[in-house]
Amino acid sequence: GQNIDQPTEMTATEGAIVQINCTYQTSGFNGLFWYQQHAGEAPTFLSYNVLDGLEEKGRFSSFLSRSKGYSYLLLKELQMKDSASYLCAVRDPMRWTGGFKTIFGAGTRLFVKA
Amino acid sequence: GAGVSQSPSNKVTEKGKDVELRCDPISGHTALYWYRQSLGQGLEFLIYFQGNSAPDKSGLPSDRFSAERTGGSVSTLTIQRTQQEDSAVYLCASSLRLAGGGTDTQYFGPGTRLTVL
Repeated sequence: GQNIDQPTEMTATEGAIVQINCTYQTSGFNGLFWYQQHAGEAPTFLSYNVLDGLEEKGRFSSFLSRSKGYSYLLLKELQMKDSASYLCAVRDPMRWTGGFKTIFGAGTRLFVKA
Repeated sequence: GAGVSQSPSNKVTEKGKDVELRCDPISGHTALYWYRQSLGQGLEFLIYFQGNSAPDKSGLPSDRFSAERTGGSVSTLTIQRTQQEDSAVYLCASSLRLAGGGTDTQYFGPGTRLTVL
């Protein structure tokens, strides 16, 4: 079956570092995405990993281990505006159509406190 | 416009009525997705259109749900005989869908908040 797990909620302090983990079990794999979603708004793209390793983009980094079915999103120098939900999503090839389906986790709500 | 647009932004309807939700993807994007998001929950995949290929309808929760995409652009999601459990935010996304996958980032619209009384 298809399953993506991430913690429901996390709390961190402004200026600190937080790591949000994601584990996945899908029938196929063609990339992992992280999206940020502020309350009442649409998700926005943060990062994409298709090969093992760390991708760094400013204060945000994302790591992938395909053999372990594991990814994490690392947020540094936390700011109050980083309070949002962070969605892990896996792209699964649909072999019978040649297309792709993106499967989203339930999201991790991050609360940044002063 | 530069982004994905959806209409209406809010829809309140009575149980048993039919509703239509519209999505205008980013011009040139060949892939279009519909998702449903209940309060505090993740995104539930509904349907996926890719170019002129037959859509992947595997996520539609019942036969009351249908969607079409005309001319490879605008899409309409129709819910017939709405039920209270259909209340959610319906999000549309589009992507460039490069050959072989690539980054294929999905750009989301603002969503339609559906409330079934």
